[in-house]
Formats: sequence, structure tokens, C-alpha cells
Amino acid sequence: SQQGEEDPQALSIQEGENATMNCSYKTSINNLQWYRQNSGRGLVHLILIRSNEREKHSGRLRVTLDTSKKSSSLLITASRAADTASYFCAYGGATNKLIFGTGTLLAVQP
Amino acid sequence: DAGVTQSPTHLIKTRGQQVTLRCSPKSGHDTVSWYQQALGQGPQFIFQYYEEEERQRGNFPDRFSGHQFPNYSSELNVNALLLGDSALYLCASRQLAGDYTGELFFGEGSRLTVL
Repeated sequence: SQQGEEDPQALSIQEGENATMNCSYKTSINNLQWYRQNSGRGLVHLILIRSNEREKHSGRLRVTLDTSKKSSSLLITASRAADTASYFCAYGGATNKLIFGTGTLLAVQP
Repeated sequence: DAGVTQSPTHLIKTRGQQVTLRCSPKSGHDTVSWYQQALGQGPQFIFQYYEEEERQRGNFPDRFSGHQFPNYSSELNVNALLLGDSALYLCASRQLAGDYTGELFFGEGSRLTVL
């Protein structure tokens, strides 16, 4: 299977703390993206990092990419209760389809 | 600007039946992909439609078929339903050419339960 793997599978933190989740993938990629999903609803795109980039920021989000290790991490700083959701990495290669990881369930306690 | 819309939101079928799910892409988008998401798992790519043709297909049997209409909307059909087909079916759209950012826009999904 080409599906990426994420760890941890679940993460529980307090409001104000930082949350870090990791993604490992198996193929060469053009870009890697992170999506958020609330309670089994639709996915919302958070951030995209291209294969020639090593780090990218967007608001409270920071993404890193290490193509030599085929891994990426998503850092959410100063987390809020509203950040409680499942987070998925997704990556694409030469084709147009995206392959999603297994997801990290983040719970932020108020 | 309407986003991706899917219907129905929930449906229950029995084994052996057939189901059709519908998707209208975001305005300005011409490419539709379908994903299956089992409970507790990440979405799995089923297939992608562009210019009314299936362009790519994931590892799904022929029981899964689709269609794209001239207005870019799409249908997913699943025949001979199995219990294992119970899942959230997600439609995503994008613009294949032009100012493409790589981002997919998802609908809220159709939750299928097979009894």
C-alpha cells in the first residue's frame, strides 16, 4: 500500500500547548498537503509544501518536509479547543491523485 | 460561491443493492475525484474524472463506476453492495489546468450504511 502513516494516532493536549504530528510517506512526491476533518465531515485544506521547500508557515501552522527521510511534520502552536479534529497528510506525485495518511486525532482540552 | 455539494448526506442500503451518489463541484472547477473513507481511516482514492472521462483509478473493483456530466457534476455508482462498502464517500474538486494551487476542495460527504 502507498498509504502514508501518521503518528501519533491520537494526541491529547491542553489549550495553549503546541501539537506536533508526523507523517511518513512511501513514494516520490511533488507536494505534500495537510488537511483537517471535523467529526467525519468533509476535509478542509490547511497548507501545502512543495518538494523543493523545507519549511512553510501559515498563521499558527508550521510544516516541515524532509524528502530524504520521506517525512513531514505539522506543528500547531498555541492550540485552542476549536483545533480538536482529525488531521491528515496527503501527498501527490506525478499523477493528479492524492494519497492520504492514516490520520492523527487531536483533542485539545479547554 | 457554492462549494462542493454532495447528495444524499446519509443513506442505508442492504447487501446486493445498488447506490448512486451525486456531486456538484465548486464553481470554476472541472475535475472531480471520489474517495472512500472507512471509519477511523484516511480517505482512499477511488477515481478521478475530467472532460467526462475516468482519468485515474485507485484499487477498487469494477463494482465502483462513475460518470461526469457536461456541467462537470459527477455520480458514483456502486453495484452489488457489500457490508464492507459502508463508509463516508467524499467528493473533491479542483481545477486541472490554469491557476492550480494543488488544493482539493471537499464536500461534506455521503455516509453509506450497508446492512
